[in-house]
Amino acid sequence: DTAVSQTPKYLVTQMGNDKSIKCEQNLGHDTMYWYKQDSKKFLKIMFSYNNKELIINETVPNRFSPKSPDKAHLNLHINSLELGDSAVYFCASSQDVAGGRHTQYFGPGTRLTVL
Amino acid sequence: SQQGEEDPQALSIQEGENATMNCSYKTSINNLQWYRQNSGRGLVHLILIRSNEREKHSGRLRVTLDTSKKSSSLLITASRAADTASYFCATWASGGSYIPTFGRGTSLIVHP
Repeated sequence: DTAVSQTPKYLVTQMGNDKSIKCEQNLGHDTMYWYKQDSKKFLKIMFSYNNKELIINETVPNRFSPKSPDKAHLNLHINSLELGDSAVYFCASSQDVAGGRHTQYFGPGTRLTVL
Repeated sequence: SQQGEEDPQALSIQEGENATMNCSYKTSINNLQWYRQNSGRGLVHLILIRSNEREKHSGRLRVTLDTSKKSSSLLITASRAADTASYFCATWASGGSYIPTFGRGTSLIVHP
């Protein structure tokens, strides 16, 4: 039973296309996150939702739109994909937002390649 | 920015040796966590240390926190080939911030 799952694992697409990545957690957590890890392994938070409400939005272009239909799901839609969007995107969840008091559980990642 | 920075960027050792990696950050924190990332995988939590703690242990892992120097260290004793991975620190600024900041990680290679 995977705690945090993401689909797809790999995504190869052309510049200008629109794509979505899905994330689900079965841990009963209140908080979910999207991170972007670049080719130098720098991991940066993009968004966080707590109980379906957006609480973190870190200077991400508005081509990126997260959606949380319920506490267990957080999807990421990307419009008009650019070369610079190529990266590994990680979904994560934690019990709640409480500033680092709880473990974050990460999904396996989605490797996005924009051609 | 709050960004943590791990040092060294890369570390190569022999099985059985100890590995020490460091994390420095810029502003006061509430909590600091260490994570491991195996190649092609997601991050896995190792240890959480709070700002009022100085040292924590978990199996072969020892984490220290020096808030006066704004730094933390992760020591892996008696390393094994399976410890080969990247290690990241994550910090949360004090004052109620719930924005985690990760460094770029230390890439550890343990040769059998």
